[in-house]
Amino acid sequence: QQQVKQSPQSLIVQKGGISIINCAYENTAFDYFPWYQQFPGKGPALLIAIRPDVSEKKEGRFTISFNKSAKQFSLHIMDSQPGDSATYFCAAIPWRGSTLGRLYFGRGTQLTVWP
Amino acid sequence: DAGVIQSPRHEVTEMGQEVTLRCKPISGHDYLFWYRQTMMRGLELLIYFNNNVPIDDSGMPEDRFSAKMPNASFSTLKIQPSEPRDSAVYFCASTTRQESQYFGPGTRLTVT
Repeated sequence: QQQVKQSPQSLIVQKGGISIINCAYENTAFDYFPWYQQFPGKGPALLIAIRPDVSEKKEGRFTISFNKSAKQFSLHIMDSQPGDSATYFCAAIPWRGSTLGRLYFGRGTQLTVWP
Repeated sequence: DAGVIQSPRHEVTEMGQEVTLRCKPISGHDYLFWYRQTMMRGLELLIYFNNNVPIDDSGMPEDRFSAKMPNASFSTLKIQPSEPRDSAVYFCASTTRQESQYFGPGTRLTVT
């Protein structure tokens, strides 16, 4: 059972465009939501993260939008660049309960940015 | 600060051999996680520790896999005997409370 659902599976965007990746969850015990970026042959790297008491967080060209009532969050990449081409994973972590600290990943989105 | 350190980075072994993967978490982190990544199954959590104690090992595929954390700065994942289907990239990650996990560079294991 996938606790964090991620879409789309793949995304192709023109250079300079906006990339949008969406995620949804059901478990209300989740209270921390990181995004990871993974390049081929590398480990997942923490990109940006948000806590549920905040509706938006921006770091450079990367923005997380968070809708607590809908249990949805999304990653927006503004002015997408070819160097952003990678696999992006959304995730959720419960910091309470029996599985506290465990990271639940979405299945990933393969982003390709064409020059 | 040094990130999560894993060794070896690449391992090629024959079926039936014992394989030991090593991980040094980020200093001060009290959670350590072992993952396996394949094209077919994506990222799978194998086991995780808190303060050197295993918390959840339900992802360990079978008895051939074992993991230990003898102290706060070192963990091992052992496969004995190894099989071709164990070929994957194995990641170690660490974190502390209320933070995200930081991943190591991974060990690419090939079992022939």
